[in-house]
Amino acid sequence: AQSVTQLDSQVPVFEEAPVELRCNYSSSVSVYLFWYVQYPNQGLQLLLKYLSGSTLVKGINGFEAEFNKSQTSFHLRKPSVHISDTAEYFCAVSDFDSGAGSYQLTFGKGTKLSVIP
Amino acid sequence: DTGVSQNPRHKITKRGQNVTFRCDPISEHNRLYWYRQTLGQGPEFLTYFQNEAQLEKSRLLSDRFSAERPKGSFSTLEIQRTEQGDSAMYLCASSSLDTIYFGEGSWLTVV
Repeated sequence: AQSVTQLDSQVPVFEEAPVELRCNYSSSVSVYLFWYVQYPNQGLQLLLKYLSGSTLVKGINGFEAEFNKSQTSFHLRKPSVHISDTAEYFCAVSDFDSGAGSYQLTFGKGTKLSVIP
Repeated sequence: DTGVSQNPRHKITKRGQNVTFRCDPISEHNRLYWYRQTLGQGPEFLTYFQNEAQLEKSRLLSDRFSAERPKGSFSTLEIQRTEQGDSAMYLCASSSLDTIYFGEGSWLTVV
């Protein structure tokens, strides 16, 4: 069974400061990793994904994440945050179910990022 | 690419009533998912369709829940005899391969 732990439920940060949102996962198989962002009362928007290849992946809105297999982590970073980055961020892990032909996502509980002017 | 569309966006219903949500996936996506998200939690998988076939159902999907995807296009999620514990956001998502795209969600409040 897979699981995802987002170590911080809330992260306040001043505008233009850097931020790191932490994510650790557990899985017995090779996984794919995702970060989604959710603005208030909205659905989930894909920020970035790791499927294979380079362990540093770049996403939208200036975010990037690094896959670390030995530490089973996939932390999200941004060098300088804006007010508009205030949202909830979800880390998710997926493997491929060959029987059903599906990728199911297992999500963490989310991290609320609050950018302070 | 118009994205995944869900309606209604909000529904308030009395306990015991039936509700139905509709999802229109991205047109070329043959895989469709339903997830449920409660306050303070990440989304949880409910069920999965490949084309019109419902291939997986979570244990979270009680007998009061039924999902369909006729003709492999849009999907509906019906909840019968709603309970207060059903209050949540119901998210639909679709994919063609390895990346799942979500809709805006349908909020259900059971009073």
